[in-house]
Amino acid sequence: KNQVEQSPQSLIILEGKNCTLQCNYTVSPFSNLRWYKQDTGRGPVSLTIMTFSENTKSNGRYTATLDADTKQSSLHITASQLSDSASYICVVSPYGNNRLAFGKGNQVVVIP
Amino acid sequence: SQTIHQWPATLVQPVGSPLSLECTVEGTSNPNLYWYRQAAGRGLQLLFYSVGIGQISSEVPQNLSASRPQDRQFILSSKKLLLSDSGFYLCAWGGTDTQYFGPGTRLTVL
Repeated sequence: KNQVEQSPQSLIILEGKNCTLQCNYTVSPFSNLRWYKQDTGRGPVSLTIMTFSENTKSNGRYTATLDADTKQSSLHITASQLSDSASYICVVSPYGNNRLAFGKGNQVVVIP
Repeated sequence: SQTIHQWPATLVQPVGSPLSLECTVEGTSNPNLYWYRQAAGRGLQLLFYSVGIGQISSEVPQNLSASRPQDRQFILSSKKLLLSDSGFYLCAWGGTDTQYFGPGTRLTVL
């Protein structure tokens, strides 16, 4: 069964600090992995997408890494801002079908 | 550019009442369309997807149904709502490489 596990479930960080979110998956065959940011009460918005051959991808202060051998990904947030408070969802796409595998999300709260 | 709309944004309905949520996409033709539900503290659950007009695939047996009367219109319905239908409903378009989500509808069933 294709599964995506994210950790930690939630965390609180001080504004200006860095944090790293983890995603482990068992999806096979693998097509791509995407990190979404979902603000409360809004739809998810894509931050990064990585295919099998990509190890790292950045989008501003967000940097995602992928280790396809160990089936792990991380999302690093640098110099966090209050607007980074959101749920970050790891989504893995199996090759050849439309059924994406979703993690439950990492709930990040940035405090001043 | 492509845009996806959902309405209403929020909805409060009594148990046993009917439901109709609408999703429309602009700027693309013959998109794959999806309905997801997101319950509190849980991941997104795929409810229905459609690859074309009148073509609906159901992922989870329940009292909800979906229809696609036009190429870029996707409707989620129910004849009688249950308390367990409360949640955040998201429409999305796209495919295996990427899916783009709408703003969502917050449904509360009382």
